[in-house]
Amino acid sequence: NAGVTQTPKFRILKIGQSMTLQCTQDMNHNYMYWYRQDPGMGLKLIYYSVGAGITDKGEVPNGYNVSRSTTEDFPLRLELAAPSQTSVYFCASSSGTGREQYFGPGTRLTVT
Amino acid sequence: GENVEQHPSTLSVQEGDSAVIKCTYSDSASNYFPWYKQELGKGPQLIIDIRSNVGEKKDQRIAVTLNKTAKHFSLHITETQPEDSAVYFCAASIGRDDKIIFGKGTRLHILP
Repeated sequence: NAGVTQTPKFRILKIGQSMTLQCTQDMNHNYMYWYRQDPGMGLKLIYYSVGAGITDKGEVPNGYNVSRSTTEDFPLRLELAAPSQTSVYFCASSSGTGREQYFGPGTRLTVT
Repeated sequence: GENVEQHPSTLSVQEGDSAVIKCTYSDSASNYFPWYKQELGKGPQLIIDIRSNVGEKKDQRIAVTLNKTAKHFSLHITETQPEDSAVYFCAASIGRDDKIIFGKGTRLHILP
C-alpha cells in the first residue's frame, strides 16, 4: 500500500512552459486535493475533487487546471508557468469530509 | 473570505516542558478541526482532530481543546521530546464539501 505518490519530486520550468504534476492514490479514496505551500504561508487549496468526473476550485485556482478521469489519479496542469507558481505542491486524499487527509511527499517546482 | 489564524509562528521550549499552539477560525459553521505535523521534506501528517460536538480530546501526550463560542481551539503537547520538533498546522472545515483551510503554521523547536 503506497498511499499517495507524486511525480516528479523536483522540477525547474522556464516562464511560459507547461507541465503536469502527477498524483496517484491506492486507497480507493473518493476525495482528492491539490495544495501549494509557500514559506510561512501554510497550505493553500488549489483544486479538489469529490469523485471521478467531479472537480471544483479551491482558494487559489488561477493558472491551474485539473481533471479526474479515474478514482486513483488527479493530475494538476500548469499551462503558462509564471514565477509566482514557484512553490511546493502537495496532493492529498481522504475517504470523505471530516476525515484524515493523507498527503504525498510533494513536488518542489521552480519557475525562472 | 474565511480564514484560520495561528499563533505563535515560532515556539521554543525546553525538552520536558509543555507547548501550546492556539488557533482561531472565522466560519461559525466549521465542525471539524484537525492538527497536522510536518517534518522537514515531508508532507503533513494528521496527529489529532476534534469535532464540534466535543470540547476536548486527548491522545497520550497530545491534547486539543475547542471553544465554539469563542471560535478558538488549541493544541497542547506535554513532556516534549526532541522528535516533537516540526511545523504544526491547525485547520478548520469550511463551506460546501467541508474543505479544509489551514493556518500558517507554528515551527516548534525542542531545546536540549
